[in-house]
Amino acid sequence: DQQVKQNSPSLSVQEGRISILNCDYTNSMFDYFLWYKKYPAEGPTFLISISSIKDKNEDGRFTVFLNKSAKHLSLHIVPSQPGDSAVYFCAASEGTSYGKLTFGQGTILTVHP
Amino acid sequence: GAGVSQSPSNKVTEKGKDVELRCDPISGHTALYWYRQSLGQGLEFLIYFQGNSAPDKSGLPSDRFSAERTGGSVSTLTIQRTQQEDSAVYLCASSPYGTGYGYTFGSGTRLTVV
Repeated sequence: DQQVKQNSPSLSVQEGRISILNCDYTNSMFDYFLWYKKYPAEGPTFLISISSIKDKNEDGRFTVFLNKSAKHLSLHIVPSQPGDSAVYFCAASEGTSYGKLTFGQGTILTVHP
Repeated sequence: GAGVSQSPSNKVTEKGKDVELRCDPISGHTALYWYRQSLGQGLEFLIYFQGNSAPDKSGLPSDRFSAERTGGSVSTLTIQRTQQEDSAVYLCASSPYGTGYGYTFGSGTRLTVV
């Protein structure tokens, strides 16, 4: 049972354009959502998060949008840079789960110069 | 150290052998997590340690898997009688809070069972 899904295995974008990565979830108890970025041979690194009481959180070039009614979140990267090329994981947690995260399968983002 | 350290970085083992994977969390982090990433899959939760509390073992896939955390610091994940489906990258993370944010992951151990 895949509670967090990233349906696009890969995304290719031109440098300077917007990258939009999508994530859907099924568990209505999730109340905190995170995006992690992973380079090859490295562990994932935290990128940005959003609480279920918000619908948008922005940090520099990165913005996460949450649509609770649709159980959907997205990560926007504007403008995209070649250094953003990595695997992006969406993750979710419940307030009582002690920080245990449920991850999506990941989306490989490639930003072309 | 400054980050989460995992060893070995790569491990190739024969089917049926036991393996031990080690994680050194960030000093002072009370929460420690193990995840694994199989080929083409997302990260799958395995086990969680928080301070002196009983660990949450709900993600361990079978009784061949076990983990311990000594002295609230170093953790060892042990896989007995390894199978080919155990091949994956095993990732350890630590957190000062035991919440969903503030995770720092190690670089992982790539386990290959042949």
